[in-house]
Amino acid sequence: SQQGEEDPQALSIQEGENATMNCSYKTSINNLQWYRQNSGRGLVHLILIRSNEREKHSGRLRVTLDTSKKSSSLLITASRAADTASYFCATGGKAAGNKLTFGGGTRVLVKP
Amino acid sequence: GAGVSQSPSNKVTEKGKDVELRCDPISGHTALYWYRQSLGQGLEFLIYFQGNSAPDKSGLPSDRFSAERTGGSVSTLTIQRTQQEDSAVYLCASSTDPSSYEQYFGPGTRLTVT
Repeated sequence: SQQGEEDPQALSIQEGENATMNCSYKTSINNLQWYRQNSGRGLVHLILIRSNEREKHSGRLRVTLDTSKKSSSLLITASRAADTASYFCATGGKAAGNKLTFGGGTRVLVKP
Repeated sequence: GAGVSQSPSNKVTEKGKDVELRCDPISGHTALYWYRQSLGQGLEFLIYFQGNSAPDKSGLPSDRFSAERTGGSVSTLTIQRTQQEDSAVYLCASSTDPSSYEQYFGPGTRLTVT
């Protein structure tokens, strides 16, 4: 079953604009990660934030984590057409193995 | 370096047939995961291997599904007596060890059961 829920399910923006998507989860976590998927195939790891962190940056990506609200957000600044993809949050539990539980994803379309 | 590879990239099979899906993880990665992505269920964990430990099979949807990992490297996911609801993209991922958290995904195998 899906632990994370993502909001919005779809997002359409113009190139140069910022894209923000949110993820909520239900159980305690060890870490939360964001992945990108192009064309419904392999996922590419974007960024990981640990449960004791509140904000993290990587290039044009900014991730926040609020463990009290069990939520995270991913901000892509100055979007490009190449950012068009589906974005998934995934939570890693405290159980051994860090098997990931994924949200439903946000489909982002960046129009040139 | 080489990433995670999966074969075949696409597989069409008739209902009731058995299929085998293969995953070659990144060399040296001790942890290997299988996930399934389908329209109705999204991305789901199936099974996890770590070194020589017993696999975590808690995500396998039925006893028609099994997986093995030979020599701590290549893994094969087998689906017996396939059903139409097995149609999905099967994704394999590996990581250096579970505590590294970041998982590297292969391109997936798209399985279509007719």
